[in-house]
Amino acid sequence: QSALTQPASVSGSPGQSITISCTGTSSDVGGYNYVSWYQHHPGKAPKLMIYEVSNRPSGVSNRFSGSKSGNTASLTISGLQAEDEADYYCSSYTSSSTLVVFGGGTELTVL
Amino acid sequence: QVQLQESGPGLVRPSETLSLACTFSGGSISTYYWGWIRQPPGKGLEWIGYIYHSGSTDYNPSLKSRDTISVDTSKNQFSLKLSSVTAADTAVYYCARTGGGWSFDFWGQGTLVTVSS
Repeated sequence: QSALTQPASVSGSPGQSITISCTGTSSDVGGYNYVSWYQHHPGKAPKLMIYEVSNRPSGVSNRFSGSKSGNTASLTISGLQAEDEADYYCSSYTSSSTLVVFGGGTELTVL
Repeated sequence: QVQLQESGPGLVRPSETLSLACTFSGGSISTYYWGWIRQPPGKGLEWIGYIYHSGSTDYNPSLKSRDTISVDTSKNQFSLKLSSVTAADTAVYYCARTGGGWSFDFWGQGTLVTVSS
């Protein structure tokens, strides 16, 4: 069982917006602004989409945005496109000796 | 553009040592932390550990000290050794660069390692 909780799947139609949640504790998500989000197309290298809760790396579309409230972080994808269909994972720094924890992943389906 | 590529055997026998290498290009090994992450079939991602170019390391205690990460700056390469493997160590293993805020900004494509006799 993963340390961070994500919904197993979400779906949306092209052009719509969806939000994926990532729930942790005050020892990880709630305690630090070190939440990251990754997009993973099977068989390819995972891609960093968001770091430090809401920062986008260079080259990542501004359709992707991140936020946090309490122990829950969220990734929002607006203007859904077929190419957004992938698995999405969150991660966070943690004060435990594990240092980094991940969510179990969310499968995004673009209908 | 930074690129990373994992290499190593795809099959390891139980109780033996898993050995993987990660070769990167498009950047310098200095300044960053370089790490390993794995994903068992049907499960989530698990951080294994990282190494700094100076050689300092940190590991996920869940691996119970079975893992060792080393770096060869002359080859732009870092490696993972995991001893006394069991079927539970079967996973896709990724190497990655640690960027700002404990994020992983560049990843390899991953390599499947199966532990089986």
